[in-house]
Amino acid sequence: EPEVTQTPSHQVTQMGQEVILRCVPISNHLYFYWYRQILGQKVEFLVSFYNNEISEKSEIFDDQFSVERPDGSNFTLKIRSTKLEDSAMYFCASSEFLSSSYNEQFFGPGTRLTVL
Amino acid sequence: AQTVTQSQPEMSVQEAETVTLSCTYDTSENNYYLFWYKQPPSRQMILVIRQEAYKQQNATENRFSVNFQKAAKSFSLKISDSQLGDTAMYFCAYGTTTGTASKLTFGTGTRLQVTL
Repeated sequence: EPEVTQTPSHQVTQMGQEVILRCVPISNHLYFYWYRQILGQKVEFLVSFYNNEISEKSEIFDDQFSVERPDGSNFTLKIRSTKLEDSAMYFCASSEFLSSSYNEQFFGPGTRLTVL
Repeated sequence: AQTVTQSQPEMSVQEAETVTLSCTYDTSENNYYLFWYKQPPSRQMILVIRQEAYKQQNATENRFSVNFQKAAKSFSLKISDSQLGDTAMYFCAYGTTTGTASKLTFGTGTRLQVTL
């Protein structure tokens, strides 16, 4: 069964460093998302992406964050200068299409980001 | 803005028993979708069940069913014949589609422990 994959599973970085989190969405999916979950808290929406541009972003997704689909398969989240509070689990998700019935997002296993 | 509230931080149920997890939401939209996601210790987000707001019939998926009360904006999850593998964090989520954006808004979660 097709699935969303994410690499790495765990990333440790020093405060102020740049990190790139990678995701490979399901191949025929057109819509891509990033969410984050700070330990012990709820999952929060960061950004949605369609047709090579951002569809919507939350207030969390400030200028330190960027997303890109550099080729036909990868979808990346870049954090330019990491802060301690960026430590979280980052989930990538993808969905096939937006329909009038429902829109199921398939989640990847997550990347745990630890900022020291 | 949409909000999702889960008022039960933790629940416990004995194996083979039935448990109900509560969820309420607030929205001014008429067309939307509701989901229950399961997050086991591996932290993978797994879709358990979904409900389209325009459908009056409650969704059922094997041992999982929902009680959707649109007027009350309530969306509870019932797990019948609980199994040890049901032990996980359960998140209620609200989804809507506006143009090309389709984000999910999550509740704070209910930690379910299934005991022998």
